[in-house]
Amino acid sequence: GAGVSQSPRYKVAKRGQDVALRCDPISGHVSLFWYQQALGQGPEFLTYFQNEAQLDKSGLPSDRFFAERPEGSVSTLKIQRTQQEDSAVYLCASSPGVAGPWEQFFGPGTRLTVL
Amino acid sequence: AQKVTQAQTEISVVEKEDVTLDCVYETRDTTYYLFWYKQPPSGELVFLIRRNSFDEQNEISGRYSWNFQKSTSSFNFTITASQVVDSAVYFCALSEPPIQGAQKLVFGQGTRLTINP
Repeated sequence: GAGVSQSPRYKVAKRGQDVALRCDPISGHVSLFWYQQALGQGPEFLTYFQNEAQLDKSGLPSDRFFAERPEGSVSTLKIQRTQQEDSAVYLCASSPGVAGPWEQFFGPGTRLTVL
Repeated sequence: AQKVTQAQTEISVVEKEDVTLDCVYETRDTTYYLFWYKQPPSGELVFLIRRNSFDEQNEISGRYSWNFQKSTSSFNFTITASQVVDSAVYFCALSEPPIQGAQKLVFGQGTRLTINP
């Protein structure tokens, strides 16, 4: 595809449910980022992949959050036992390179609402 | 730690007015990069510009211009002759030096810009 795609676009979960959010980066992009954007706030970094390797997960808020990118392309962000404070838009971004100030291309996000 | 402050939460102007969005940043690094992104109602962040810390030359792109001043740690964004289509949330961001290649972005809280016809 032409850009980064994410699915689902909207997800409503009951508190305690597990959810999985998918990101399809631009083909060939080495780097993949996940960000969390709370309502009225700027995005905050969650985790980073270089190909299939998760090199930085310093932004994951708890051990309920888990991300993977097993084949170095599609990535999944999983949230276990969702809580109300997990409600946010989850943004995925990809960039073509590794080191350097590469532009990050963002997807439309998945809006997660936890009831 | 890096920090980006966008003090203007919301701005509303009438079409064709000029408008400036402020951005102030904090970093201890001598090498860093600054960005502006636009987030329309669709939610997708759209890249506008990237500047590195060694290039203080101001930049103009059509109706958009950016003023980077290291002395005041500011990277302000001006839209000239604003249009309704410019209505969006605008984010200023700072990139940290890469750790194992992770050039993650630190965003400000954003400024919601509304251009009224």
